Amino acid sequence: NAGVMQNPRHLVRRRGQEARLRCSPMKGHSHVYWYRQLPEEGLKFMVYLQKENIIDESGMPKERFSAEFPKEGPSILRIQQVVRGDSAAYFCASSPLAGGQFSYEQYFGPGTRLTVT
Amino acid sequence: KQEVTQIPAALSVPEGENLVLNCSFTDSAIYNLQWFRQDPGKGLTSLLLIQSSQREQTSGRLNASLDKSSGRSTLYIAASQPGDSATYLCAVNGAGNMLTFGGGTRLMVKP
Repeated sequence: NAGVMQNPRHLVRRRGQEARLRCSPMKGHSHVYWYRQLPEEGLKFMVYLQKENIIDESGMPKERFSAEFPKEGPSILRIQQVVRGDSAAYFCASSPLAGGQFSYEQYFGPGTRLTVT
Repeated sequence: KQEVTQIPAALSVPEGENLVLNCSFTDSAIYNLQWFRQDPGKGLTSLLLIQSSQREQTSGRLNASLDKSSGRSTLYIAASQPGDSATYLCAVNGAGNMLTFGGGTRLMVKP
């Protein structure tokens, strides 16, 4: 059973370009989360998605950032018109179910390291 | 708003020592708490998950405790080894099912 997969592992973009980060959750997992780790800072929640639904995007910057998790295919985190401050490690996690008193463990992918030049 | 603090921020110990990493959180309304390990430039490896109804979890040389009412968790590492050198992250899962992370403890175990 493959773990959470993210690609690319490393991505270099010039200022103003678009960055697309992909996340394939573990088999059987229908919940995806994106987190960002800025240099020398802790991990911060960005967005929580289920298939075809954004559940919580309270951690997403209001502009230039968007996320989707289509019925088929991986979840995509899209950053338009990247700036140097977007340089960070972006981690995706998945879990099989959420709700009630118990929330299931989140399993993390290896991350995508975005460098904006 | 949930805030998670980890103390110490960095720790250097000789091989073989038993050590304790601390995590505190401000909102006790949590579903669970996870401890992770992160090696430099790598992803997160889940070490232990404690549900809110549990007091502790053990895996090998690792033992994590949870005192939800006081907003504290500790990660105990027995007989530390150089291979334990990494950053250890504590994260709480509360309303909304998002994880709130602490800043981490950077551990160095010297041979």
